[in-house]
Amino acid sequence: GENVEQHPSTLSVQEGDSAVIKCTYSDSASNYFPWYKQELGKGPQLIIDIRSNVGEKKDQRIAVTLNKTAKHFSLHITETQPEDSAVYFCAASGSQGNLIFGKGTKLSVKP
Amino acid sequence: EPEVTQTPSHQVTQMGQEVILRCVPISNHLYFYWYRQILGQKVEFLVSFYNNEISEKSEIFDDQFSVERPDGSNFTLKIRSTKLEDSAMYFCASSVGSPNYGYTFGSGTRLTVV
Repeated sequence: GENVEQHPSTLSVQEGDSAVIKCTYSDSASNYFPWYKQELGKGPQLIIDIRSNVGEKKDQRIAVTLNKTAKHFSLHITETQPEDSAVYFCAASGSQGNLIFGKGTKLSVKP
Repeated sequence: EPEVTQTPSHQVTQMGQEVILRCVPISNHLYFYWYRQILGQKVEFLVSFYNNEISEKSEIFDDQFSVERPDGSNFTLKIRSTKLEDSAMYFCASSVGSPNYGYTFGSGTRLTVV
């Protein structure tokens, strides 16, 4: 079945710097790749997603890139702010109509 | 913005007891899901539900688990005889269509089995 690997597990950046989180997936049939932000005590919140027919998508300070050949996708956050601090999860669509999640990246943005 | 609502936010139960976790999905969504997250670990799929029946389930979703949509709005997860290792955050989610249309997650129920 699908396996999603996510790196790094923790990431610390200075406010204003960029942050990049990378994920790889194993199932070439996966065609949907969302990213979720999870703040303490809350459920995962969808922040951006990309489908397999697109290579890049941007929404203000957040962008996602997808390389289908290499089976990896990345989240880019520019001009980071303290409120970006959270755990970020990548996911890939699985064969059961579900989502397979990565292990998460704890992002800390230092003022 | 429409929300997925989960109750209770925190449930403490004794080992061997039955618990029911409740969810109210977004009203026009057709697919419903339960996921769980053991502390510090990844979010794991349990079960998906469509058209009043289970459509898929994972290896985790064994005979002690069941789901039900008792009326037009609620979606419940029942754990028949809880074990210590069932302690986790349980998230309900719903989507208009398949995952490709995006999930909305609830805030979760923290289940603590003692």
